[in-house]
Amino acid sequence: GAGVSQTPSNKVTEKGKYVELRCDPISGHTALYWYRQSLGQGPEFLIYFQGTGAADDSGLPNDRFFAVRPEGSVSTLKIQRTERGDSAVYLCASSLGNGQPQHFGDGTRLSIL
Amino acid sequence: GESVGLHLPTLSVQEGDNSIINCAYSNSASDYFIWYKQESGKGPQFIIDIRSNMDKRQGQRVTVLLNKTVKHLSLQIAATQPGDSAVYFCAENGSGSNTGKLIFGQGTTLQVKP
Repeated sequence: GAGVSQTPSNKVTEKGKYVELRCDPISGHTALYWYRQSLGQGPEFLIYFQGTGAADDSGLPNDRFFAVRPEGSVSTLKIQRTERGDSAVYLCASSLGNGQPQHFGDGTRLSIL
Repeated sequence: GESVGLHLPTLSVQEGDNSIINCAYSNSASDYFIWYKQESGKGPQFIIDIRSNMDKRQGQRVTVLLNKTVKHLSLQIAATQPGDSAVYFCAENGSGSNTGKLIFGQGTTLQVKP
C-alpha cells in the first residue's frame, strides 16, 4: 500500500520567506508526527497529532513554526520568516496510534539561502 | 535528562557475518524502543520494535535485545548482506507511553564489505 507521502521533496527559498510543507499519512493512521533531521544527526521531534489536535508540540523550536491537521489526515507544517538555521530535512511519520510503530516518509529537504 | 546514544559511529562487517549494533538509553521511564534503518536520501525505515515487558524479540534476520538493568538495547542482523548497508538508529519513547514522541540516537553507519 501507499506509504507516507511528503511534498515537495525539495524546497529552496530565501531567508525571511514563508514555507509550507505537506504530509499525507498512511490511510487509516490516526497519529501523525513531524521531525527535523540535520545532517549526520538523528531525527528530532517537533510535534505529534492525535486526530485533528496537537497532543504534544513541545519540540517546536519557536513561534515561527506551526502545524495543522484540520481534518485528521493531511498535515501542513508552516514556517514563517525562515532563517538559515531552519535548513534541514523535515520528516513526517504516521502510526495507527500512540505506542505503535511510526512509519516515515522520505522527507522534505529545506534549504534557506 | 533524556538521551539515546550509540556506542560506535561506524561498524564494518564482512558479507555473511552477523552484525551487532548497540545503543544505550538514559530514561528509565521509557517503555517502548524501536530500530530504524535509513538509506541515503530516504526516510527512516521501521525494522523492529520492543516493549519494556520483553527482553528479546525476533524478526526476519533481525533480533532486538533489551536489558533494562543497564539501559542497553542491541540490534542483531544475521547473515549481513550488502543491502543492509545504511545508518541504523535506535529510538525510545522517553517519558513513557503517554507521549508519541520518539527520541533518536545519533546513528551507527553499517558498512558491509563484499
